[in-house]
Amino acid sequence: AQSVTQLDSQVPVFEEAPVELRCNYSSSVSVYLFWYVQYPNQGLQLLLKYLSGSTLVESINGFEAEFNKSQTSFHLRKPSVHISDTAEYFCAVISRGGSQGNLIFGKGTKLSVKP
Amino acid sequence: DAGVIQSPRHEVTEMGQEVTLRCKPISGHDYLFWYRQTMMRGLELLIYFNNNVPIDDSGMPEDRFSAKMPNASFSTLKIQPSEPRDSAVYFCASSTQGSHQPQHFGDGTRLSIL
Repeated sequence: AQSVTQLDSQVPVFEEAPVELRCNYSSSVSVYLFWYVQYPNQGLQLLLKYLSGSTLVESINGFEAEFNKSQTSFHLRKPSVHISDTAEYFCAVISRGGSQGNLIFGKGTKLSVKP
Repeated sequence: DAGVIQSPRHEVTEMGQEVTLRCKPISGHDYLFWYRQTMMRGLELLIYFNNNVPIDDSGMPEDRFSAKMPNASFSTLKIQPSEPRDSAVYFCASSTQGSHQPQHFGDGTRLSIL
């Protein structure tokens, strides 16, 4: 079975500052990793995913995440945040080839960007 | 392309009443998921379907909850009778085949049971 730990429930930052949202996972098999974002009063949207290949993956709005197998981490980073990045971010893991009902979400990290 | 469509967006009702939440998945998606989100428990998977067949309903909290998928373009989640502790945001999501495929979420139904 897999599990996901998001170490910070809330992260307040000032606009244009860098941010890192931490995610650690546990699994005895190979996994796929995802970051989803949830804006207020909306559903979750895929931000980026790691399937294979380069361990650094990027989103279209400047976020990036690095898969670190030895540390079982998939931290999300952005070098300079905007007010519009205020949202809740969820890390998720699923075993490769596993049942799609076994996508495991973390508890979420609320990113609050202040002017 | 239309995303996952849920209705109603908000529902307020008194305890004991029947509540029906509706979902239209993205056309061509063969998996459909129902989730519940609360502050205390976070995001919980209630049940999911593959090709309209329920695969795993172990997350359904009680017999008061039931879900159906009569065809590929429609699913319902029903609570009867409803209780205040059922108050939450309920999400429907759909995806195509493959564990590497992302799930696409609707905007949810915010349910308040008084």
